[in-house]
Amino acid sequence: SQQGEEDPQALSIQEGENATMNCSYKTSINNLQWYRQNSGRGLVHLILIRSNEREKHSGRLRVTLDTSKKSSSLLITASRAADTASYFCGKGGGADGLTFGKGTHLIIQP
Amino acid sequence: NAGVMQNPRHLVRRRGQEARLRCSPVKGHSHVYWYRQLPEEGLKFMVYLQKENIIDESGMPKERFSAEFPKEGPSILRIQQVVRGDSAAYFCASSPETGNGNTIYFGEGSWLTVV
Repeated sequence: SQQGEEDPQALSIQEGENATMNCSYKTSINNLQWYRQNSGRGLVHLILIRSNEREKHSGRLRVTLDTSKKSSSLLITASRAADTASYFCGKGGGADGLTFGKGTHLIIQP
Repeated sequence: NAGVMQNPRHLVRRRGQEARLRCSPVKGHSHVYWYRQLPEEGLKFMVYLQKENIIDESGMPKERFSAEFPKEGPSILRIQQVVRGDSAAYFCASSPETGNGNTIYFGEGSWLTVV
């Protein structure tokens, strides 16, 4: 099965700063999907990036994918208190949906 | 267009009882996935189903756990004779097809507490 982890495990920044979190994987993928999870809630889909794409944007979110390094990053610009959440990357490559790590817990301090 | 609907949102069971979790996928989606999340952990894949078929159950414990996705009605994750270690959040997700870049949507989860 595909393995991979998000890092850092926890990140605390000031409101207005940019937040960057990374995701690595070991085996080949055909897509990677980033999700946000607020405490006690489900996963909200943020961005899907395919293996033949290098960068995607959605509002204040920017996702990059480097298949040679088997890594992806999620950048949140101009962070807000409401961005406080856990962020997960789901690695897709087979028939069993997505594989997740433990996520990055992001805290935005006012 | 309603998203993935799960119920109950919270469920308390005594050890030895049965827990039955239901999931209605996004309308038109024929692929359903179940995941389990322990506190402070990521999501662990349990089972992948299509209508009336289990495609991959490699992540599901061999005993006490079963899943189905009948032709009509929601997908059901059933846990028999629950133990304290079954306490977790169980998430259902759905997609229109598998693989190759289709977005997978998640429900709000069912939180099971075994006392």
